[in-house]
Amino acid sequence: LAKTTQPISMDSYEGQEVNITCSHNNIATNDYITWYQQFPSQGPRFIIQGYKTKVTNEVASLFIPADRKSSTLSLPRVSLSDTAVYYCLVAKGGGGNKLTFGTGTQLKVEL
Amino acid sequence: NAGVTQTPKFRVLKTGQSMTLLCAQDMNHEYMYWYRQDPGMGLRLIHYSVGEGTTAKGEVPDGYNVSRLKKQNFLLGLESAAPSQTSVYFCASSWEHYEQYFGPGTRLTVT
Repeated sequence: LAKTTQPISMDSYEGQEVNITCSHNNIATNDYITWYQQFPSQGPRFIIQGYKTKVTNEVASLFIPADRKSSTLSLPRVSLSDTAVYYCLVAKGGGGNKLTFGTGTQLKVEL
Repeated sequence: NAGVTQTPKFRVLKTGQSMTLLCAQDMNHEYMYWYRQDPGMGLRLIHYSVGEGTTAKGEVPDGYNVSRLKKQNFLLGLESAAPSQTSVYFCASSWEHYEQYFGPGTRLTVT
């Protein structure tokens, strides 16, 4: 089971770039890395997914080094509405029950 | 599209009572999941299904049963509720174990 470790909390200010790193030392060859965002009293929402190198979409970038033992979610120019809990999930692409969300990172964005 | 819906939104049970939570999705996804989330914790996988008529155990399956008689529905049952099952329950669906779409959650209290 690819256990993940993330910082418990992070603070930032509006307009700054925020980087949240997830450690997953036991990642398997066919595991993908997925990041979710969760607001209070809501279900998690997909942000981005990757396997290796860099992935970018309209809201975030995901950086994965060659050894894949960690990954970094990058949020450009955060706003107050980005205050949420961010989860890193490492899971096998083809199936299985290894879907364990860690405790996540509480990001707080202030003015 | 309604996405993923969950019924009911809130429920209070007495110890020993039974109930069924209903999850429905209209995205024609093969995979469906039930998670529980305790205060300040990440999500833990209870059971999942990789297609109509199939179910499998997740990380914390004890005390729960599931059924997937129709592709669009995934039911979670508690036969004899216990206070330890007080939690928020989230249902999700996806194509394989990639981007999961989550429902709004069911808040269950067992007294």
